[in-house]
Amino acid sequence: SAVISQKPSRDICQRGTSLTIQCQVDSQVTMMFWYRQQPGQSLTLIATANQGSEATYESGFVIDKFPISRPNLTFSTLTVSNMSPEDSSIYLCSVDTGSRETQYFGPGTRLLVL
Amino acid sequence: SQQGEEDPQALSIQEGENATMNCSYKTSINNLQWYRQNSGRGLVHLILIRSNEREKHSGRLRVTLDTSKKSSSLLITASRAADTASYFCATDDSQETSGSRLTFGEGTQLTVNP
Repeated sequence: SAVISQKPSRDICQRGTSLTIQCQVDSQVTMMFWYRQQPGQSLTLIATANQGSEATYESGFVIDKFPISRPNLTFSTLTVSNMSPEDSSIYLCSVDTGSRETQYFGPGTRLLVL
Repeated sequence: SQQGEEDPQALSIQEGENATMNCSYKTSINNLQWYRQNSGRGLVHLILIRSNEREKHSGRLRVTLDTSKKSSSLLITASRAADTASYFCATDDSQETSGSRLTFGEGTQLTVNP
């Protein structure tokens, strides 16, 4: 298993600004994932972040809008850039401990953009 | 796009009753997983069933998988008020040799009334 923390837990931001969300894992993991959950909806994968390589983005998500860093095997950041009210969502990170099975999720970051 | 479709979207039952949620998907999968989410927080992994398995049990949970129909069901027996949450199925259809890539269904909101 893995214990994951995210910072901040929630934030209210003004449109046009950027927010960086941190994800910290208590063990070294190869693959980390970032998801977005819009209000009342399911989770959508934004990108997969492997240490030492560029993140792989899903269709509809671009690096300029959601830059990701993965400096080591226990940490990643997701930046939501030039925010608009449509970016109001819960952002969750998750990790795959290598079993190719269970993913463990962080508690999420609730973002409200005014 | 979402692979999984879940029904019902919402389910309200009395404590002690059984709750059944269904999930359908579109592509070949490695495994199917069920997650639970309380009040928009992080997801908790409940159970995983591999593509070569047909049924799996874990405590009060029973999961079935029918790969010919591309569908799965989650049964919660003897429900409790604490089971109130959103339940998501997620399919792993990754072609990668390591790590998983999950596609989530739309989710079922379960309410268990005391």
